[in-house]
Amino acid sequence: AQSVAQPEDQVNVAEGNPLTVKCTYSVSGNPYLFWYVQYPNRGLQFLLKYITGDNLVKGSYGFEAEFNKSQTSFHLKKPSALVSDSALYFCAVRLRTGRRALTFGSGTRLQVQP
Amino acid sequence: NAGVTQTPKFQVLKTGQSMTLQCAQDMNHNSMYWYRQDPGMGLRLIYYSASEGTTDKGEVPNGYNVSRLNKREFSLRLESAAPSQTSVYFCASSDKGGVGYEQYFGPGTRLTVT
Repeated sequence: AQSVAQPEDQVNVAEGNPLTVKCTYSVSGNPYLFWYVQYPNRGLQFLLKYITGDNLVKGSYGFEAEFNKSQTSFHLKKPSALVSDSALYFCAVRLRTGRRALTFGSGTRLQVQP
Repeated sequence: NAGVTQTPKFQVLKTGQSMTLQCAQDMNHNSMYWYRQDPGMGLRLIYYSASEGTTDKGEVPNGYNVSRLNKREFSLRLESAAPSQTSVYFCASSDKGGVGYEQYFGPGTRLTVT
């Protein structure tokens, strides 16, 4: 069975500082990895994905994520946080074969202080 | 191009009542999904439909049924609502073509069962 862990319920960072939201996964085989963001009372929005190739992937709104196969991690990063980045962030994994549905982590609330 | 739409946005039911949540997408996607979101648990897959005419159970299918009415529409039915089904329900869709395709989410239905 596949699983995703987001070890931090909340991350606090000052505006302008770099941010990291952590994600580790457990699957048998090579996964596809995703990050989504959810603003209050809204659905999830796709941020970025890792399929293959370069371990550093860039996505929407200046976010990027680094795939580390040996540590089974896919941490989300941004060099300079904005107050508007405050939201709930979800990491998700999908196997390359079989069922297409995503398995999500429990989410990390990012709070960026002015 | 509305993306993924869901109706209703809010619903209050009494225990034992039934209802159907509607979902439609206008992106010509083959696959559609129903998730529920509960605090601290991320999103959990209820049912999915890989293509028109097929449906499969996800992680938490008990108490729900689905219908893939056509390529655009995928409904979720609660036959006899229970308080444990109080949650926010999200519909999503994705394209079958290519690999590692992301899912697009609707705005959600907030359901309370008393």
